[in-house]
Amino acid sequence: AQSVSQHNHHVILSEAASLELGCNYSYGGTVNLFWYVQYPGQHLQLLLKYFSGDPLVKGIKGFEAEFIKSKFSFNLRKPSVQWSDTAEYFCAVNDPGTASKLTFGTGTRLQVTL
Amino acid sequence: DAGITQSPRHKVTETGTPVTLRCHQTENHRYMYWYRQDPGHGLRLIHYSYGVKDTDKGEVSDGYSVSRSKTEDFLLTLESATSSQTSVYFCAISGDRASPYNEQFFGPGTRLTVL
Repeated sequence: AQSVSQHNHHVILSEAASLELGCNYSYGGTVNLFWYVQYPGQHLQLLLKYFSGDPLVKGIKGFEAEFIKSKFSFNLRKPSVQWSDTAEYFCAVNDPGTASKLTFGTGTRLQVTL
Repeated sequence: DAGITQSPRHKVTETGTPVTLRCHQTENHRYMYWYRQDPGHGLRLIHYSYGVKDTDKGEVSDGYSVSRSKTEDFLLTLESATSSQTSVYFCAISGDRASPYNEQFFGPGTRLTVL
């Protein structure tokens, strides 16, 4: 079964600092990869997704992620965070046996201070 | 936002009582999912559906059952609620007929407390 690891559980940054959140998955075949964001008290929203092609994916709100197949990684980045980026971030990978299912990481809570 | 509603949004119940949560979509998407979200565990799949009357188990299905009699509705039932089922429950949908690989869209969640 697929597994997803997010090594950073809680990250605290000052505004304008750069962000990188790690995500590693276990399955070595073809995968679809996603980053979701959950703002306090809200539901999950898609930040970006990777299906194929250019491994550098750009999403909403200035976020981007790089798919590195050799490292089984899909790290999320943002050059300069804002206070409004305070949220929980989840990496997800589709289940290779059933393309419709997603396996989520445990999440990274990002706190941006002024 | 995708047209997904969940009801109720909040519920407090007692151990041993049955509970049914409803997910309703207006997007005509094929796939529907139920997740639970718990601190330190992220989202875990309970059950999912790939069509009317077609359902399958996820990783944490014990104690839960589902039904899908119409494309737009996906019900999650806790036959006899336990305190370990206190959680936030999210419904999600995905997959129009053109591609099953679309991202999942999430509902607003239901906060369930089992006393």
